[in-house]
Amino acid sequence: AQRVTQPEKLLSVFKGAPVELKCNYSYSGSPELFWYVQYSRQRLQLLLRHISRESIKGFTADLNKGETSFHLKKPFAQEEDSAMYYCALSGRMGGGNKLTFGTGTQLKVEL
Amino acid sequence: ETGVTQSPTHLIKTRGQQVTLRCSSQSGHNTVSWYQQALGQGPQFIFQYYREEENGRGNFPPRFSGLQFPNYSSELNVNALELDDSALYLCASSPADYGYTFGSGTRLTVV
Repeated sequence: AQRVTQPEKLLSVFKGAPVELKCNYSYSGSPELFWYVQYSRQRLQLLLRHISRESIKGFTADLNKGETSFHLKKPFAQEEDSAMYYCALSGRMGGGNKLTFGTGTQLKVEL
Repeated sequence: ETGVTQSPTHLIKTRGQQVTLRCSSQSGHNTVSWYQQALGQGPQFIFQYYREEENGRGNFPPRFSGLQFPNYSSELNVNALELDDSALYLCASSPADYGYTFGSGTRLTVV
């Protein structure tokens, strides 16, 4: 079974402070992990995926297979980062892949 | 512009009725997945279609069914609606098994 856990429902930080959104996963195979973001009144959109090792909008995430974690980090939070963040795992099922999402963390950046 | 359009945006149905939700994907997006997002939860995988064939299904009963058409549109049908079916239904499409683009969703309320 594949499972994604995001322990924090809400994370509140001040502008300019570092941000870390936690994500732990459970999967028996080799996982492919993603972070999705949903800004207010907008659709869910891909923020980054671990295999591309990109930095998007200053966010990075490193896959730690030993700790089964994929935490999302940003050194200096900006007001526009306030949004709902979902960690997701892509695993094989049948002939295709399915995304398993965590319950999400609401990030609130205060001035 | 993400290219994934869902209709209708909102819908109210009575318990026991049937509903059809529609999704229009970008040309070339052969894979389409449907997700159910209950309030305060992450999206839950319902099923996936690839080239008009179902190739994966989540933990949803048979009264949830789907179709994918050659013109890259798809449908989610739900029979015998229950109050717990009230949720946001998301369609996501991809040219392959990764890099899903999500629609804005259909908000279904069952009364």
